[in-house]
Amino acid sequence: EIVLTQSPGTLSLSPGERATLSCRASQTISSSQLAWYQQKLGQAPRLLIYGASSRATGIPDRFSGSGSGSDFTLTISRLEPEDFAVYYCQQYGSSVTFGGGTKVEIK
Amino acid sequence: QVQLQESGPGLLKPSETLSLTCTVSGGSISHYSYYWGWIRQPPGKGLEWIGSVHYFGSTYYNPSLQSRVTISVDTSKNHFSLRLSSVTAADTAVYYCATYGDYEYFQQWGQGTRVIVSS
Repeated sequence: EIVLTQSPGTLSLSPGERATLSCRASQTISSSQLAWYQQKLGQAPRLLIYGASSRATGIPDRFSGSGSGSDFTLTISRLEPEDFAVYYCQQYGSSVTFGGGTKVEIK
Repeated sequence: QVQLQESGPGLLKPSETLSLTCTVSGGSISHYSYYWGWIRQPPGKGLEWIGSVHYFGSTYYNPSLQSRVTISVDTSKNHFSLRLSSVTAADTAVYYCATYGDYEYFQQWGQGTRVIVSS
């Protein structure tokens, strides 16, 4: 099973700042089959990024994904108030597993 | 785009079987491009994939749950179902149904249904 480790656990930032979230896999993920989701309290997750770097339909371009192999990054270029949430990475190259999440909170 | 809605009992006793249904609207569960899955989230914790199904009947399960899980499709009712046997308190979670296409990133999610296992 591919284990995904997300860091940091919590990121405290102010609106307008840049957020950089990391997702590291225990082994190489084939064909960059990695996705990112945003989850707000009491809501279902929402797909942001798939294929490591492709934005899902309707996702603002301040969200970007990068990386390959076993190291992946989600960047939010300028945080908007609605971006404070928990973010999960998920790999689908070998079965399906999720990371433990990074909470982006208001500083 | 399709919409998903989970339904089922919210309270179970240990050793019982959890049965949930996900009703699909706005599209056909028999569409060859779609796969249908279940994901759960224990209180205050992260997401865990339970398994997925295609209307042809192909199923894919999380190895850690495989011995207790059955996912099936009912094309006549346009819904798919989850059965999880011998539940314990560790199965307490919000259960989501979701869908994906050619690759297993989940594009649409239901709102989730809370299941509590308690004696």
